Amino acid sequence: DTGVSQDPRHKITKRGQNVTFRCDPISEHNRLYWYRQTLGQGPEFLTYFQNEAQLEKSRLLSDRFSAERPKGSFSTLEIQRTEQGDSAMYLCASSPPEDVHEQYFGPGTRLTVT
Amino acid sequence: RKEVEQDPGPFNVPEGATVAFNCTYSNSASQSFFWYRQDCRKEPKLLMSVYSSGNEDGRFTAQLNRASQYISLLIRDSKLSDSATYLCVVNIYYQLIWGAGTKLIIKP
Repeated sequence: DTGVSQDPRHKITKRGQNVTFRCDPISEHNRLYWYRQTLGQGPEFLTYFQNEAQLEKSRLLSDRFSAERPKGSFSTLEIQRTEQGDSAMYLCASSPPEDVHEQYFGPGTRLTVT
Repeated sequence: RKEVEQDPGPFNVPEGATVAFNCTYSNSASQSFFWYRQDCRKEPKLLMSVYSSGNEDGRFTAQLNRASQYISLLIRDSKLSDSATYLCVVNIYYQLIWGAGTKLIIKP
């Protein structure tokens, strides 16, 4: 399968714990995006990378959130000191250099903070 | 006011009927437009891009009206498999802004 993959698919954690999610984009895609989606809402943009550079961050991304893409391939999203309001589906998407508008999504990581 | 607004539905439609969704956007700087489909508990998948001239893909037709800042999606001869949430998406400076989606339920 050469699509976008995300790991883990589900994560249950206690409030206050740190969690880290991984995203592996389609191999030739240079842009990578992180979104958060809650029930009944569309995805909300969090941040995006072009190669290893983080070019944009949403104001939704508080200081507890950090994302990296160290070698311009896979990316990680870390949430520190999780809160119940962080419970959501975290989606990763990637797009090719020739069509930055078309984004291909991974299956998402569903986070539940108890 | 949300940047991209859609009627959340649900639209309950009998199989074989034609159904239309509209979406409005607020930022006139929006550059490109898309419809995505999302099945329950799955990731969004691109259904089609939307062009000013209108475009058709099989049973699906998308239209863009820049003057009125709305986008439409028409589904003809609806199938049970069309049941999903349809998300209207607007691109502004390489960032995708998403509507909350319109839920469609096709009934046999």
